[in-house]
Amino acid sequence: DIQMTQSPSSVSASVGSRVTITCRASQGISSWLAWYQQKPGKAPKLLIYAASRLQSGVPSRFGGSGSGTDFTLTISSLQPEDFATYYCQQAYSFPRTFGGGTKVEIK
Amino acid sequence: EVQLLESGGGLVQPGGPLRLSCVASGFTFSSSAMSWVRQAPGKGLEWVSGISDSGDSAYFAESVKGRFTISRDNFRNTLYLQMSSLRAEDTAIYYCAKATDFLNYFDYWGQGTLVTVSS
Repeated sequence: DIQMTQSPSSVSASVGSRVTITCRASQGISSWLAWYQQKPGKAPKLLIYAASRLQSGVPSRFGGSGSGTDFTLTISSLQPEDFATYYCQQAYSFPRTFGGGTKVEIK
Repeated sequence: EVQLLESGGGLVQPGGPLRLSCVASGFTFSSSAMSWVRQAPGKGLEWVSGISDSGDSAYFAESVKGRFTISRDNFRNTLYLQMSSLRAEDTAIYYCAKATDFLNYFDYWGQGTLVTVSS
């Protein structure tokens, strides 16, 4: 199975700040990567797929980059509604696997 | 509007069976691959199983292989997860998710149904 490792596991940030989350795959996955946002008590929401493609309806302050084994999710200007946990997921092979999550908290 | 409504969760004894259902609406169910993803209390997401649009192909996480079966009824727009030999570590919220392409990404999710395995 492909292991997905996210860092940091949590980050404290202020509204308006730039936040970067990293996801590393245990082997190359080309661009087969997605990012999800999950708020407490809610289902996950797809933000980014194919490493850098913005899902319809997702604000443009969210951006994804990377290929191979190293990927990043960037929130260019953090908004109050962005405080949540973020997960990466590989779609290169079965079983699909998720990273452990990064919790973005208010500073 | 896409809607996915899971049901069937509850308290079950270790070793027991349980069947989850997910009724879909708002999209062409028979043209969409589907998956189950679970989340143990306070933990991260774990992909459990996926099935092709026709139901011909199915995939499982190693942790449930041989114990769980996934199926679908394209006439009833319903996805199923038949779980057997349940263990305490299967305790989780189980989400039904619509997949893009071939089980690559999950663009719509249900609200989840809680399965608790305990004596």
